Amino acid sequence: DTGVSQDPRHKITKRGQNVTFRCDPISEHNRLYWYRQTLGQGPEFLTYFQNEAQLEKSRLLSDRFSAERPKGSFSTLEIQRTEQGDSAMYLCASSIQSSYNEQFFGPGTRLTVL
Amino acid sequence: AQSVTQLGSHVSVSEGALVLLRCNYSSSVPPYLFWYVQYPNQGLQLLLKYTTGATLVKGINGFEAEFKKSETSFHLTKPSAHMSDAAEYFCASVFGNEKLTFGTGTRLTIIP
Repeated sequence: DTGVSQDPRHKITKRGQNVTFRCDPISEHNRLYWYRQTLGQGPEFLTYFQNEAQLEKSRLLSDRFSAERPKGSFSTLEIQRTEQGDSAMYLCASSIQSSYNEQFFGPGTRLTVL
Repeated sequence: AQSVTQLGSHVSVSEGALVLLRCNYSSSVPPYLFWYVQYPNQGLQLLLKYTTGATLVKGINGFEAEFKKSETSFHLTKPSAHMSDAAEYFCASVFGNEKLTFGTGTRLTIIP
């Protein structure tokens, strides 16, 4: 059991650049979630997939954000034209569809926008 | 709106003392409840969960929590704090949909 992995662990970019993060879920998990965590706050939901279908997106997910899970396995989260307010920890989680939806989290990608 | 509230953003306890971290939820329907721990620059690790059945749930590292519907609470306790318990703790819930709703977290400091 390798757990949820995320790449990269840290990303520093300049304002206006595009960035892409990758998440590899636990292999048998059909659900994949993205959360954003800013300093001193709890994680906030961004979006989630069931298999390859994106089923819900938060209002936090502006038009500059896009997420994909093309084959129902790994997922990517892209941020276009980054802003300083995008600086945060981006967390990925996965789960098996169930009544209580226990989610397993990856180590996160810390984004710093200069 | 449904929400999770954690009272006390910072809690300090002496090593060996009781740990009590407070969590209350706001929902007309009892949700599923979770406690997660986060160490610096790491992701979240599940400590314990309440779904149905027994209201006192035991988790890893000696932690436990009790679901009290009448008080809409799910407080986390540990009888004797250890230095390794120093971390950020998050209460979270699934309110009948798919996403976790988190509290703002409580940073636990252990005093030697």
